[in-house]
Amino acid sequence: QVQLVESGGGVVQPGRSLRLSCAASGFTFSDYGMHWVRQAPGKGLEWVAVISYDGSIKYYADSVKGRITMSRDNSKNTLFLQMNSLRVEDTAVYYCAKDPGYSYYFDSWGQGTLVTVSS
Amino acid sequence: SYVLTQPSSVSVAPGKTASITCGGSNIGSKSVHWYQQKPGQAPVLVVYDDRDRPSGIPERFSGSNSENTATLTISRVDAGDEADYYCQVWDLSSTHVVFGGGTKLTVL
Repeated sequence: QVQLVESGGGVVQPGRSLRLSCAASGFTFSDYGMHWVRQAPGKGLEWVAVISYDGSIKYYADSVKGRITMSRDNSKNTLFLQMNSLRVEDTAVYYCAKDPGYSYYFDSWGQGTLVTVSS
Repeated sequence: SYVLTQPSSVSVAPGKTASITCGGSNIGSKSVHWYQQKPGQAPVLVVYDDRDRPSGIPERFSGSNSENTATLTISRVDAGDEADYYCQVWDLSSTHVVFGGGTKLTVL
């Protein structure tokens, strides 16, 4: 079965950087687009970014564009989210999620990793 | 940017039918997807492409989409359905995924 395991979250000061990872298993990772979705404490879901199956196409939410870079290593079945110039408002649980295929929705989710931006 | 509007809360008695709406401009022309999220858990897809159910999702969950409103309907509601529900679309014009604000379903 599909398994997505996020890691790399933690407490970081405003302006600093953090890199999240998502290890995928149970499916052919290189065949599917992948997303990051975040959820601030007590708030709703917010889409962050998507990457195509081969990494050639990426789209970002306006709230993170220019500060966040999504990438993937298909040889290691791993997804990444490089977050720079972090802000207090980036505090959230970050989920990686699998796209069923050029569909831009999420048929499997990880359990999430918490990022706290605080001085 | 495209906006999806959901009621913040819906209440329903056990055994009854709950309807959760998702409003958006000409949303009927888009594919709508619905997620259920229970406290402390990741979201789960319950309806995709307006009305299709993933394997393992009970037939009690159904969806519809027309004109400016999409609806998630849960029949024969039980306490286990109490959760937050989110609608979601892909907005091609902005190349953004868009979520509704979420609806908290309370089973009385």
